[in-house]
Amino acid sequence: GAGVSQTPSNKVTEKGKYVELRCDPISGHTALYWYRQSLGQGPEFLIYFQGTGAADDSGLPNDRFFAVRPEGSVSTLKIQRTERGDSAVYLCASSSTVGGPQETQYFGPGTRLLVL
Amino acid sequence: AQSVAQPEDQVNVAEGNPLTVKCTYSVSGNPYLFWYVQYPNRGLQFLLKYITGDNLVKGSYGFEAEFNKSQTSFHLKKPSALVSDSALYFCAVSGDNYGQNFVFGPGTRLSVLP
Repeated sequence: GAGVSQTPSNKVTEKGKYVELRCDPISGHTALYWYRQSLGQGPEFLIYFQGTGAADDSGLPNDRFFAVRPEGSVSTLKIQRTERGDSAVYLCASSSTVGGPQETQYFGPGTRLLVL
Repeated sequence: AQSVAQPEDQVNVAEGNPLTVKCTYSVSGNPYLFWYVQYPNRGLQFLLKYITGDNLVKGSYGFEAEFNKSQTSFHLKKPSALVSDSALYFCAVSGDNYGQNFVFGPGTRLSVLP
């Protein structure tokens, strides 16, 4: 597709359950980012992939959060033992990385996660 | 560490009037500055960025922003506001001395009144 896509658009789960959120980046973009946006706040960085490897996972809040990108395209953000505080919009972005941090990141529509 | 401030939670402007949404930043080394807009239930849309060169940057939908190094600011402007410009605006910064991720400000809600 032309842009970044994310599925599902909404996810409701119960406390303690496991969830997976999927991101499909713009074709040809080698860099992929996950951010989390809580209500009334700006997005906060979680993890950045360059190709298949996680180049920077310093934003992951704890070991319940994990992300993979096995073939260098689609990425999955995995959250174990969900807590109510995990409720937020999870945003995915991709960019062409030739130029580094000055590259524009293009965002998907987000997955709205609600943990009951 | 890098940081971004957007001092106004809300900006109200009448349609047809000029608008300014303020952003100040803190980063060591050269900053890369971005503006994004977010409409309800939609992702962030890129408006413009400053990397180097001319301090006045022009972007999508008639928006522009001026980089001011001495004031560490990157205010977003538009000469004539439209009702359809009403949305949430985010300023973001990245830099060579940090990781590749953006640091976002808290956002400013712009309301353009008819």
